[in-house]
Amino acid sequence: AQSVTQPDIHITVSEGASLELRCNYSYGATPYLFWYVQSPGQGLQLLLKYFSGDTLVQGIKGFEAEFKRSQSSFNLRKPSVHWSDAAEYFCAVGETSYDKVIFGPGTSLSVIP
Amino acid sequence: KAGVTQTPRYLIKTRGQQVTLSCSPISGHRSVSWYQQTPGQGLQFLFEYFSETQRNKGNFPGRFSGRQFSNSRSEMNVSTLELGDSALYLCASSMTGVHETQYFGPGTRLLVL
Repeated sequence: AQSVTQPDIHITVSEGASLELRCNYSYGATPYLFWYVQSPGQGLQLLLKYFSGDTLVQGIKGFEAEFKRSQSSFNLRKPSVHWSDAAEYFCAVGETSYDKVIFGPGTSLSVIP
Repeated sequence: KAGVTQTPRYLIKTRGQQVTLSCSPISGHRSVSWYQQTPGQGLQFLFEYFSETQRNKGNFPGRFSGRQFSNSRSEMNVSTLELGDSALYLCASSMTGVHETQYFGPGTRLLVL
């Protein structure tokens, strides 16, 4: 069965520090991969997505993610975190043969000034 | 372009009642998906509509239903409400399907007493 795991429920980083949020998936074929962010009281916003091609994907707000097929991972990174990045981050995976996207449980990010 | 709008934003119902939530997608978008978000279960896919047809459905009981109108606006209905139906219900729209960028609305927060 398809599944998405985000091993870290909560992460705290200092402002200016680097960030890496982990995402692992279990899918049969080449997946579509997404990272969404949800700020308090807000809907979800797409940060970046991977469909094919270059495995390093650039997104909005200075985020990037790398698709590693051998590790079934799609980790999100940011070199320098800002206080406004505090939010809930969701990894999501879809597959061409299915008309639905599965979301991971989310990682809550806190940023210390 | 206006974003995805959902009405109402907040709703309080009692067990056994039914509720209808509305979603207006971004102009030109023909795919509308619904998700339920709870602290315990995370984001779960309910169903997706495209051109007034339900294309896919998540693992929810038949009490959860939806429809889409010719103008792409969508409604979801929950009958015989249970306490466990208390959640944030998110609607997302995209041009043709969930494998594209989905644009999420702010959600309707439903509280069942």
